Amino acid sequence: DAKTTQPNSMESNEEEPVHLPCNHSTISGTDYIHWYRQLPSQGPEYVIHGLTSNVNNRMASLAIAEDRKSSTLILHRATLRDAAVYYCLCQGNLIFGKGTKLSVKP
Amino acid sequence: ETGVTQTPRHLVMGMTNKKSLKCEQHLGHNAMYWYKQSAKKPLELMFVYSLEERVENNSVPSRFSPECPNSSHLFLHLHTLQPEDSALYLCASSQSSREGNYGYTFGSGTRLTVV
Repeated sequence: DAKTTQPNSMESNEEEPVHLPCNHSTISGTDYIHWYRQLPSQGPEYVIHGLTSNVNNRMASLAIAEDRKSSTLILHRATLRDAAVYYCLCQGNLIFGKGTKLSVKP
Repeated sequence: ETGVTQTPRHLVMGMTNKKSLKCEQHLGHNAMYWYKQSAKKPLELMFVYSLEERVENNSVPSRFSPECPNSSHLFLHLHTLQPEDSALYLCASSQSSREGNYGYTFGSGTRLTVV
């Protein structure tokens, strides 16, 4: 299973974009990249996933490097409700890392 | 109901009690999981039921016993727990194939306190 590496924490101001990076240098060619987030006192929830092309949905955008060894979750306008721990996983990996704790300042 | 439902949401139990956590998924998934999340720690995978096989983390004490009677229901039986077992217990499901797992859906968790 491919291991992922994320910064422990990041800060953002409300209404500003946030770029959350993830390194997955050992990802295999067929593994999708998944992002989840966990709000306080809740279970993780799905955010977005992709394989090679960049992806957009109502929650976020996912930018995947051409060599697929890294990806970036983009929140276009952070809100206070986006404060959470964000996890990056490669498909098939059952192990969650520590994720990135995102703080959003008003 | 839709998604993954866990009951109870909160549980306080003594160290000599026996209790069970329940998880039910209405997504048609074929894999279910138990995770433990202690305060300020990463999610810890405890048990996996996937493609009718059980895979477990060997570091999980025997006082935790899972049961998966069918693909929609998952239980975690608890007995003679310790205070350090107090944590958020999360259930998840996914669609699993030989090629891998396709996305997880988590329940809201059971907040367990052992006194």
